[in-house]
Amino acid sequence: QVQLQESGPGLVKPSQTLSLTCTVSGGSIGSADYYWSWVRQSPGKGLEWIAYIYYSGSAYYSPSLKSRVTISVDTSKNQFSLKVNSVTAADTAVYYCARRELDGDAFDIWGQGTMVTVS
Amino acid sequence: DIVMTQTPLSSPVTLGQPASISCRSSQSLVHSNGNTYLSWLQQRPGQPPRLLIYKVSNRFSGVPDRFSGSGAGTDFTLKISRVEAEDVGVYYCMQATHFPRTFGQGTKVEIK
Repeated sequence: QVQLQESGPGLVKPSQTLSLTCTVSGGSIGSADYYWSWVRQSPGKGLEWIAYIYYSGSAYYSPSLKSRVTISVDTSKNQFSLKVNSVTAADTAVYYCARRELDGDAFDIWGQGTMVTVS
Repeated sequence: DIVMTQTPLSSPVTLGQPASISCRSSQSLVHSNGNTYLSWLQQRPGQPPRLLIYKVSNRFSGVPDRFSGSGAGTDFTLKISRVEAEDVGVYYCMQATHFPRTFGQGTKVEIK
């Protein structure tokens, strides 16, 4: 079955760039039925959608983060990535990658999440 | 952005008894294509979220039938017919009808 795994630094300094990668296994990121997404959860808080991308490179961003975020896809590596610029303590969160399935428009598969601290 | 409001925020339940969570949206979630993109997620302690229900009432693969979703327009409900110990966690509703998609603040289900 399809699995997602996040990777990247757990500690980022303020004003620097947070970079994360999600590796997709057990299936192709090139499937026409899915978008590939990032969602974050600040400590003790709820869930916040960040961005998603199609295998073709078509990307959509949360308006509240759009000016600082870039999502990209590498179909040859079956990976997609997230960059958040000019981070502050408010960007400290568990970052999840997730698959968005188009029929129900829901996040049907999630990675385990990776904690990123800005300090 | 669409605001999703869940009630209650905390729900202590006796094992084997039912539980119900409400989710209300600030606008109708009926899409122009006629579908309603309201889903429910479960997050067990220390775990990532897990999809339970999509498009209001469709159970995702592998989800026990004690979970059911209902509602229309702006008012939606997740019901657990008989709560089991493994159901402890936080439950979120999410709307994807309007851009950007947004989540409810979560409802914590715990055992009395």
